[in-house]
Amino acid sequence: NAGVTQTPKFRILKIGQSMTLQCTQDMNHNYMYWYRQDPGMGLKLIYYSVGAGITDKGEVPNGYNVSRSTTEDFPLRLELAAPSQTSVYFCASSPQWDGYTFGSGTRLTVV
Amino acid sequence: KQEVTQIPAALSVPEGENLVLNCSFTDSAIYNLQWFRQDPGKGLTSLLLIQSSQREQTSGRLNASLDKSSGRSTLYIAASQPGDSATYLCAVGSNSGYALNFGKGTSLLVTP
Repeated sequence: NAGVTQTPKFRILKIGQSMTLQCTQDMNHNYMYWYRQDPGMGLKLIYYSVGAGITDKGEVPNGYNVSRSTTEDFPLRLELAAPSQTSVYFCASSPQWDGYTFGSGTRLTVV
Repeated sequence: KQEVTQIPAALSVPEGENLVLNCSFTDSAIYNLQWFRQDPGKGLTSLLLIQSSQREQTSGRLNASLDKSSGRSTLYIAASQPGDSATYLCAVGSNSGYALNFGKGTSLLVTP
């Protein structure tokens, strides 16, 4: 049982480039989330989804986009990367409002 | 907006000690509270989940309590071991949304 799988694990982007962070879960969870974690800070919610075709903004959505075409996949798109988006990104899923499972994270550096 | 605070930010103890990590939150209308463990460079591992109607949960050497009226939770670790060294995160789920509000964490070091 793989749980939540994130790719890539590490990435360096140049300012202005774009990329997609991939997230896949195999637990048939309806709810999926993207968080970012900056050094010494708590995790902040970027976007979340309550099911295929339904997404909504979290606390820090600017500069990001998401889609949810299937139950399993919840990719996060960065357009026009900026140094402020240097962070560690975590994807998570849950069957309801609890029982969260987190991925191992993507460490992104924008230079 | 729910604010979650964890004290202390860092803690170093010798192996075998019992210890308490603290978490406070500003809005008592919570759905649940979770404690996570995060190892360096890794994701988060769920340790304990307390529903809003519960007062405590236990798993092995870990015990978490919840006092909604005072906006506090504690994570008690008994007989600490070097393998317990990690960052411990408290996260509060509110009644008004799906997401968790996280504290900044307590970095724990247990020395042999």
